[in-house]
Amino acid sequence: QSVLTQPPSASGTPGQRVTISCSGSSSNIGSNTVNWYQQLPGTAPKLLIYRNNQRPSGVPDRFSGSKSGTSASLAISGLQSEDEADYYCAAWDDSLNGPVFGGGTKLTVL
Amino acid sequence: QVQLQESGPGLVKPSETLSLTCTVSGGSISSYYWSWIRQPPGKGLEWIGYIYYSGSTNYNPSLKSRVTISVDTSKNQFSLKLSSVTAADTAVYYCARDMMVVTPSHYYYYGMDVWGQGTTVTVSS
Repeated sequence: QSVLTQPPSASGTPGQRVTISCSGSSSNIGSNTVNWYQQLPGTAPKLLIYRNNQRPSGVPDRFSGSKSGTSASLAISGLQSEDEADYYCAAWDDSLNGPVFGGGTKLTVL
Repeated sequence: QVQLQESGPGLVKPSETLSLTCTVSGGSISSYYWSWIRQPPGKGLEWIGYIYYSGSTNYNPSLKSRVTISVDTSKNQFSLKLSSVTAADTAVYYCARDMMVVTPSHYYYYGMDVWGQGTTVTVSS
């Protein structure tokens, strides 16, 4: 059972906007920034968003992140077939003194 | 461009010790924190622990009694040892670079920006 809670699945059609939620607690999301990872099938995770809403170089601006209280969201606009992947949220946990992950959300592009 | 490569046995017997090494190329291991993460088949990511280039470590409490992470700066490598393995330790093991700033009062954690490709470790007799 993961410390952060994500919906197991999400879906959308090409061009749509989809959002993926991530819920935590005061010891993680509530007091630290949130990161998001994209894991394409059979590959290692890739950092997609850091510090709640910052994109590493090379990540399209179709991907955006936000945080409010003990929850965070990842939004993908202009959905494309290549966005089909697993998405994980993560945050530092002050109780663990380490990062914790969500269980992952499998995004299907219909 | 920093790259990470995991190496080690793909098959480990139950009760034995899993040993993996992560080699850092294209950059120095110095001045960064480095993590091990694992992903059981069909499941999510689990942080195992991290090490600073100076040798200081922190482990996931759920694995702390069985985990040792070490660093060899002369070889630009860091390593993972997980003892007394069982089938539940079967997973893809990743090494990654942490973006983290540590002050006396707080950890500022910005995620893992570089990952190895992962190595599959199966625990079976």
